[in-house]
Amino acid sequence: DAGVTQSPTHLIKTRGQQVTLRCSPKSGHDTVSWYQQALGQGPQFIFQYYEEEERQRGNFPDRFSGHQFPNYSSELNVNALLLGDSALYLCASSDRNEETQYFGPGTRLLVL
Amino acid sequence: DQQVKQNSPSLSVQEGRISILNCDYTNSMFDYFLWYKKYPAEGPTFLISISSIKDKNEDGRFTVFLNKSAKHLSLHIVPSQPGDSAVYFCAASEGFKTIFGAGTRLFVKA
Repeated sequence: DAGVTQSPTHLIKTRGQQVTLRCSPKSGHDTVSWYQQALGQGPQFIFQYYEEEERQRGNFPDRFSGHQFPNYSSELNVNALLLGDSALYLCASSDRNEETQYFGPGTRLLVL
Repeated sequence: DQQVKQNSPSLSVQEGRISILNCDYTNSMFDYFLWYKKYPAEGPTFLISISSIKDKNEDGRFTVFLNKSAKHLSLHIVPSQPGDSAVYFCAASEGFKTIFGAGTRLFVKA
């Protein structure tokens, strides 16, 4: 039973560029949430996708957007990268009826 | 505006003793509380949770206590083991949004 997988594991970009991160949820899960974790802080909620729609969003600018596909996998897109976007990006999946989320290992993004 | 606060960045405990990790929150609309554990280079792993309608939930060595009037919850680990050394995150959910604290790093000394 595969858990949550994310790709790539590491990424280096320069300011102004765009990035796409990918996530495959745990088998049987239909809901995907994305988090940003800066060094020394807890994960910050970006948004959650269910039935291919964004159903709740945290305090992140429109530069952060996402998508969920019919197979429940998801992408996080960040445009016009800033130095402050450097962080670990975590994907978490869950069943729509459960509160418990299962996290992937994350993608570490460095913006230079 | 930190809605979930873990005021102790780190905690050191002797093996076999009790570890108590604390968490405070400000939003009375939170309806579910969770604890996650995180090892380096891994994503957070779910540990234990509690609904806002309960005041205690126990799972093996782990017990979570919720004091709604004080807006405080705590995680007790008894007995503590060296493998418990990790960062522990308190989290609270309202609707589809989950808010995490900054984490407490637990060191369990053998």
